[in-house]
Amino acid sequence: DGGITQSPKYLFRKEGQNVTLSCEQNLNHDAMYWYRQDPGQGLRLIYYSQIVNDFQKGDIAEGYSVSREKKESFPLTVTSAQKNPTAFYLCASSRTGTSIGNEQFFGPGTRLTVL
Amino acid sequence: LAKTTQPISMDSYEGQEVNITCSHNNIATNDYITWYQQFPSQGPRFIIQGYKTKVTNEVASLFIPADRKSSTLSLPRVSLSDTAVYYCLVGPHQTGANNLFFGTGTRLTVIP
Repeated sequence: DGGITQSPKYLFRKEGQNVTLSCEQNLNHDAMYWYRQDPGQGLRLIYYSQIVNDFQKGDIAEGYSVSREKKESFPLTVTSAQKNPTAFYLCASSRTGTSIGNEQFFGPGTRLTVL
Repeated sequence: LAKTTQPISMDSYEGQEVNITCSHNNIATNDYITWYQQFPSQGPRFIIQGYKTKVTNEVASLFIPADRKSSTLSLPRVSLSDTAVYYCLVGPHQTGANNLFFGTGTRLTVIP
């Protein structure tokens, strides 16, 4: 089955620690995205990547970092510089990032709790 | 960046048609209108997309007036499983994800 996987589903970390969230897709999509969602709120874009070895900051990139070394993988690191990291993190992909009408396919999400 | 305005919440009885309207007064010529559905603790799911007039698929219809400053998502005969948050997005996908903006959405509650 084609799709997007995120792991783990739940993640607990101590304050001050960096943590990396995994996102893998086997849809052969060029573009990948990371969003953050807080309770009762909409999604906010953290980073996106239109192609391998390239990525751009979204609206709330501070305190986060990404890499895109492989087409199918787009890991997100939540660094200790992120002031309020506890949130629901969603990864998505689309066939391209530059075509009109490209729908995004979302993973199941990772709920990160920083203690 | 064309942001959107939607009602925060709506209630409907099972079997009724539900219409959710989205305002996007600053929509640009090359912007498309896309709707997503999100269930609790899941990622959003694409429902429908359109540019102008009317678009229909097996799940919903999307009505867009000539001035494109608003759009209406129509869900026919809703069931309890349609209880979710619905997001309206406006953006030129061809220039990158920076122009995609998920607002707070409309929380639809279907009542038995």
